[in-house]
Amino acid sequence: EAQVTQNPRYLITVTGKKLTVTCSQNMNHEYMSWYRQDPGLGLRQIYYSMNVEVTDKGDVPEGYKVSRKEKRNFPLILESPSPNQTSLYFCASSYRDTTNTGELFFGEGSRLTVL
Amino acid sequence: GENVEQHPSTLSVQEGDSAVIKCTYSDSASNYFPWYKQELGKRPQLIIDIRSNVGEKKDQRIAVTLNKTAKHFSLHITETQPEDSAVYFCAASRGSNYKLTFGKGTLLTVNP
Repeated sequence: EAQVTQNPRYLITVTGKKLTVTCSQNMNHEYMSWYRQDPGLGLRQIYYSMNVEVTDKGDVPEGYKVSRKEKRNFPLILESPSPNQTSLYFCASSYRDTTNTGELFFGEGSRLTVL
Repeated sequence: GENVEQHPSTLSVQEGDSAVIKCTYSDSASNYFPWYKQELGKRPQLIIDIRSNVGEKKDQRIAVTLNKTAKHFSLHITETQPEDSAVYFCAASRGSNYKLTFGKGTLLTVNP
């Protein structure tokens, strides 16, 4: 089954304790991205990756890191989480057609609470 | 960078009525405009998209229109049903870097 898998789905942590949210897709998509969803703010892009070893900042990259060492995986790293990073996080992947656009397939989301 | 504004933020309609959600974008180079539906507690899913070389696209009860001159695009849902109740997001991208910018979303409630 084609899917984007995120882990953990739910996490409560404390300020400053490094954490990683994993994301894996089995559709051989070149493009992957992380979004955070907050009430009233919609979906905001954190980082995206056009291909292996190619990453770029989205609209809200501060406090986050990513890596793309393999095509299928795109982990989101919070080196020193703070309460303002409490949010619902979505990983997404997409094929890229000749116009460089395509449907985004989202993971189920990871709800993170930083105390 | 791109800025996408979406209106209204909430919309309540009676079953069978039509619903219209409007978005404006700022980057005249944007050429791809998808719409995503997010049911409560679920992930966003693509329902329809349109590219800048097309003015209108339909898929059953859903249609999207694009006015490139005004930098404005809209989602139209006809004969609404309770299962259309969800948050709808518009988005815009220039394609060349696939940096997709979303609007803030519209909560559509269809009352039986």
